[in-house]
Amino acid sequence: GNSVTQMEGPVTLSEEAFLTINCTYTATGYPSLFWYVQYPGEGLQLLLKATKADDKGSNKGFEATYRKETTSFHLEKGSVQVSDSAVYFCALSGDQGAQKLVFGQGTRLTINP
Amino acid sequence: NAGVMQNPRHLVRRRGQEARLRCSPMKGHSHVYWYRQLPEEGLKFMVYLQKENIIDESGMPKERFSAEFPKEGPSILRIQQVVRGDSAAYFCASSPDRGRNEQFFGPGTRLTVL
Repeated sequence: GNSVTQMEGPVTLSEEAFLTINCTYTATGYPSLFWYVQYPGEGLQLLLKATKADDKGSNKGFEATYRKETTSFHLEKGSVQVSDSAVYFCALSGDQGAQKLVFGQGTRLTINP
Repeated sequence: NAGVMQNPRHLVRRRGQEARLRCSPMKGHSHVYWYRQLPEEGLKFMVYLQKENIIDESGMPKERFSAEFPKEGPSILRIQQVVRGDSAAYFCASSPDRGRNEQFFGPGTRLTVL
């Protein structure tokens, strides 16, 4: 079945540091890939997505590129802020219309001033 | 357009009681998904419903858990005879009908079983 493996946390960085959170997946066909962010005590918010190979999703300075050859969707940001502190989830959905999301285990990110 | 609504936000039950969690999808969305998040873990799929139909319940425990999405009103996740292991955050998501469906999440219901 489909699965997602995320870089284990927690990750602690200083403000303005470069961020990478690794995500690899196993899936049949051509899944859609997502990064969600969860702030303390809140639900998940979609951060970015990509629906086909070589697509780059981007939002709020975050980027991730759908790499089919390496089955990866790593999240990057050039300069993090304290407000980026949250838990980040990589997820995929199948390629047959409405499909359940399969999540990675999440990576807790803390940014220190 | 209001987002996905869930209530209650927090629910406390004693062992053996019933828990009812409600989810109102975004306007125009007819697909509803329920996920469970145990402490310090990712979200696990439970059930996927479309109006009046259960499409995929492969993640639902076989006993005590049920879900519905009636023609009128919110989707309900029902947990009978709750046990301490049911303590978790339960999230609902909804998606529209067409295209590569993006799911929009509600704020969650945090269930605590004493």
